[in-house]
Amino acid sequence: KAGVTQTPRYLIKTRGQQVTLSCSPISGHRSVSWYQQTPGQGLQFLFEYFSETQRNKGNFPGRFSGRQFSNSRSEMNVSTLELGDSALYLCASSPGGGDLAFSGANVLTFGAGSRLTVL
Amino acid sequence: AQTVTQSQPEMSVQEAETVTLSCTYDTSESDYYLFWYKQPPSRQMILVIRQEAYKQQNATENRFSVNFQKAAKSFSLKISDSQLGDAAMYFCAYRLLNYGGSQGNLIFGKGTKLSVKP
Repeated sequence: KAGVTQTPRYLIKTRGQQVTLSCSPISGHRSVSWYQQTPGQGLQFLFEYFSETQRNKGNFPGRFSGRQFSNSRSEMNVSTLELGDSALYLCASSPGGGDLAFSGANVLTFGAGSRLTVL
Repeated sequence: AQTVTQSQPEMSVQEAETVTLSCTYDTSESDYYLFWYKQPPSRQMILVIRQEAYKQQNATENRFSVNFQKAAKSFSLKISDSQLGDAAMYFCAYRLLNYGGSQGNLIFGKGTKLSVKP
């Protein structure tokens, strides 16, 4: 079974530009979550999508947005990039549905991340 | 708000020895999950072990076990027979159970960097 695939793995942008990152979840997984990892702030939750709907959102400015497609693939977009947006962006998928009290829906599988550098 | 604290930024262990990583958390909720994730230099976050708060029995996965003290809000990870491949950043994480229809996001600690000496 293929894992969570994130593209691109590395990218360099300049301030003011925008960037789109892609995440393909494990086949059959319907929930995709995004996290930002920086040395200073650690791992912070951005948003979660399930069946093309955002159902949970972290405390990030509106420059950070995302979407999910009907095949569960997700993209996140950061507009008007700032130096502080330099980070590792991690995507995680999970089955996402059903009774959350049972183990299967509660394990997040992470991708290897997209390393964004803003100059 | 829920918080997760890992008080040991770095730890070191001799190969084949045992090491314990500490984690405390703060929550007013009673139903939640706790996790330990490992992030090697390859950057991919890998689930090590999971504990449901409603279970009193401590979770165990091969060489990895936890000491879950719900009243003390403590969730430490013990690695037995440490191996070179265990060297990584270890993150403790918390998530609410049945968070309003969503799965609830993971709240991570700052991590503990574990080195394994041959």
